[in-house]
Amino acid sequence: DAGVTQSPTHLIKTRGQQVTLRCSPISGHKSVSWYQQVLGQGPQFIFQYYEKEERGRGNFPDRFSARQFPNYSSELNVNALLLGDSALYLCASSLDSYGYTFGSGTRLTVV
Amino acid sequence: EDQVTQSPEALRLQEGESSSLNCSYTVSGLRGLFWYRQDPGKGPEFLFTLYSAGEEKEKERLKATLTKKESFLHITAPKPEDSATYLCAVHTGGSYIPTFGRGTSLIVHP
Repeated sequence: DAGVTQSPTHLIKTRGQQVTLRCSPISGHKSVSWYQQVLGQGPQFIFQYYEKEERGRGNFPDRFSARQFPNYSSELNVNALLLGDSALYLCASSLDSYGYTFGSGTRLTVV
Repeated sequence: EDQVTQSPEALRLQEGESSSLNCSYTVSGLRGLFWYRQDPGKGPEFLFTLYSAGEEKEKERLKATLTKKESFLHITAPKPEDSATYLCAVHTGGSYIPTFGRGTSLIVHP
């Protein structure tokens, strides 16, 4: 079985640009969560979607948005990129509220 | 507000030197405590879930325990391949969202 798939694995963007990150959950998992992890810190919660509905939102500005598609895949969008948005963005899927499985992440560098 | 504190921030061990990592939490209505291992540049890899005080789980050289205020991850006779960051996360009844600690960076020297 394929695990959680994230794309791209790395990307470099310029300040002010917009970026879209993609996540495909494990087959059968209906919940997808997004986390931001800055070097040396634990993952910080951004969004959670379950059955295409937003179930939680972390303390991030409105420049961050996400959605979940009918096939349960998800996209995270970040507008007007800042240098401080440079981080590892993690997607996790779960069958229910527990047992998160993480993808390998997307390393975003903003220059 | 739920809080999760991991200590120490960093730990250096010699191969074979057993030790413990700590995760203390201040939450209301703990539903589960999770331990993950994270290698550099990779996503966290699930290790254990603990649900109630007194519970213990083991996997190879790792053993996780849980009390009402904290969890320990005991590492017995570690090997260099155990080097990684170990993350603790708690899940409470009031939220679907687990809260992560900052992690403990473990380096095991041969």
